[in-house]
Formats: sequence, structure tokens, C-alpha cells
Amino acid sequence: QVQLVQSGAEVKRTGASVKVSCKASGYTFTGYYVHWLRQAPGQGLEWMGWIKPNSGDTNYTQKFQGRVTMTRDTSISTAYMEVTSLISDDTALYYCARGGATGWFRNWGQGTLVIVSS
Amino acid sequence: DIQMTQSPSSVSASVGDRVTITCRASQNIGTWLAWYQQTPGRVPELLIYSASALQSGVPSRFSGSGSGTDFTLTISSLQPEDFATYYCQQGKSFPLTFGGGTKVEIK
Repeated sequence: QVQLVQSGAEVKRTGASVKVSCKASGYTFTGYYVHWLRQAPGQGLEWMGWIKPNSGDTNYTQKFQGRVTMTRDTSISTAYMEVTSLISDDTALYYCARGGATGWFRNWGQGTLVIVSS
Repeated sequence: DIQMTQSPSSVSASVGDRVTITCRASQNIGTWLAWYQQTPGRVPELLIYSASALQSGVPSRFSGSGSGTDFTLTISSLQPEDFATYYCQQGKSFPLTFGGGTKVEIK
């Protein structure tokens, strides 16, 4: 079955960077886009962007342009998302999800909690 | 950006009640709409896609309707496991955006 397994929780200082991984299994990694979303504590869902694993093409929402980098390693079916210059508002659960170029998300990772403190 | 507005933001209901949640898009999205359920501490789960298609494994008491800018999620007979927060999401154009959520609480 499709599984997306994310890396563990992180605690970072303001201004630092964090890199979250998402290992896919149960399907052809290069056949679907990997999206990244986040959810601040008690808040709703926010889409951050996607990476197309077979080409490495990315599409970031304007809010995160210049601060987020999505990469992948097809040899181990893993996608990564790095956020730089962290601020307290970046404290959130970060999810990876499988989908198409547009549309919706049928499969989600378990989430990675990132806490940013000063 | 396409803004997605859900109403109500919360609803109190009893087991067996019929519950309706609405979602309005700021521009025409055709049927590029999905609904998700999220229970506390859990990952969102896709319930409905293409506005009215039931995701595999989702109980038939859930249904979706609408097109263009106005959409509805209906739970025909609320069950204890349905107390959760529901989100709509437009999948037509970037950035992909979500509604603010509707919390279904026990009356």
C-alpha cells in the first residue's frame, strides 16, 4: 500500500534552517507529484508547493519563494523540503502528500512537527 | 489566489443528525473541489474529490455536490466517528487553497 514516512520532529532556533524528508513506498515514486503542506497549531491547512520527482521541477507558492527548496533523491524514493530563515510563525506540522500537478491529495505522510523558538 | 470560504465555522449536532457544510470559491473552479476530514491528532483524509466523487473506503453517508463557486458536503446521519473538522480545497489553480475548516461538535 502507498506509504509516505516523514522524518522526526525538529526544534530550531529563529533564523536557522530545517530539512524534512518524506520516503515513499508502495508506488512508483516518479509517477506522482510530491506536495508539501503545513498546519500551524490549531489552524487550517496551507499548501506550500510541489516537486515532480521524475524531472525535479518545482512549483512554490509565492509566500515561500526564496525560503523553501524542494528536492528529491529518486534512488531512495525520498523527497525533501528545506525551509530557511525560520521564524516563530513557521512552527507547524509539515506534511508531504502524493498527488497530481493540481487536484487533491489521496495519501499523506504522518506529519513532521517543527518548533521554532528564540 | 482563489479564496475558499466555508460555513459555518462550527456546528453542534447529535448522532443521527443530517449535517450540511458549505464552501464557496471566489471564482469559478468547475468541479475542482475536494473535501477532507481531520480528527484531532490525525492526518487529513480525503473524503470527496471532483466535488461529488466518493473516495474509496469512505462511507456512503458522506456526499458532495456543487459546481462553479458553490459546494456542499452532507453527512446524512452523523456517527460518533464523524465528529471532526472538515476542510474544502480547490484543486484548479495555483496556489492550491483550503477553506478555513468546519468543526463538527457533539451537541
